[in-house]
Amino acid sequence: GAVVSQHPSWVICKSGTSVKIECRSLDFQATTMFWYRQFPKQSLMLMATSNEGSKATYEQGVEKDKFLINHASLTLSTLTVTSAHPEDSSFYICSARSGDEQFFGPGTRLTVL
Amino acid sequence: DAKTTQPPSMDCAEGRAANLPCNHSTISGNEYVYWYRQIHSQGPQYIIHGLKNNETNEMASLIITEDRKSSTLILPHATLRDTAVYYCILYNFNKFYFGSGTKLNVKP
Repeated sequence: GAVVSQHPSWVICKSGTSVKIECRSLDFQATTMFWYRQFPKQSLMLMATSNEGSKATYEQGVEKDKFLINHASLTLSTLTVTSAHPEDSSFYICSARSGDEQFFGPGTRLTVL
Repeated sequence: DAKTTQPPSMDCAEGRAANLPCNHSTISGNEYVYWYRQIHSQGPQYIIHGLKNNETNEMASLIITEDRKSSTLILPHATLRDTAVYYCILYNFNKFYFGSGTKLNVKP
């Protein structure tokens, strides 16, 4: 199946700093990618839909100015957590659609101190 | 926004079949039933999907009731590596909304 990668796999940062997470589709092009957040022992929550060449669409309750999404190419979407705080600590997962399936990345563990 | 209901947890003996139920009574005509699983601290892995016919692949079988209001994922011979959270998702090729899933514990 298709492969989606994320970088970094984990990151620790200080409160107030910004962190960028990359999501890449390695062997296919994806006009649409999705970003999810998962807190411990909870399910995945859809944050936003990333569309190549246009603005991302955010789910209700997700701050677009805090979670900046850029989908500059057909194989790369980035999520920047701006001015991160400890409550932003979470597992961030991206996915990309290819045909009938969505392929998920391995996730990025963000810890904000 | 999840439209599926699953039991929070199930146990299964290694080597036996695991049958995971999912209720989706408000499914729309254009929504497919997808199943994914997530092993601890990893990204979700695709298992199988279907519209109204039963489906089978190398990993599992999917049984969808005739009225499409519920489905069952069957792992024919569960192994310890099948221990994971299993998600049943309704998908109309727009967005995936995950429900709470079923934690399957495969025991030796």
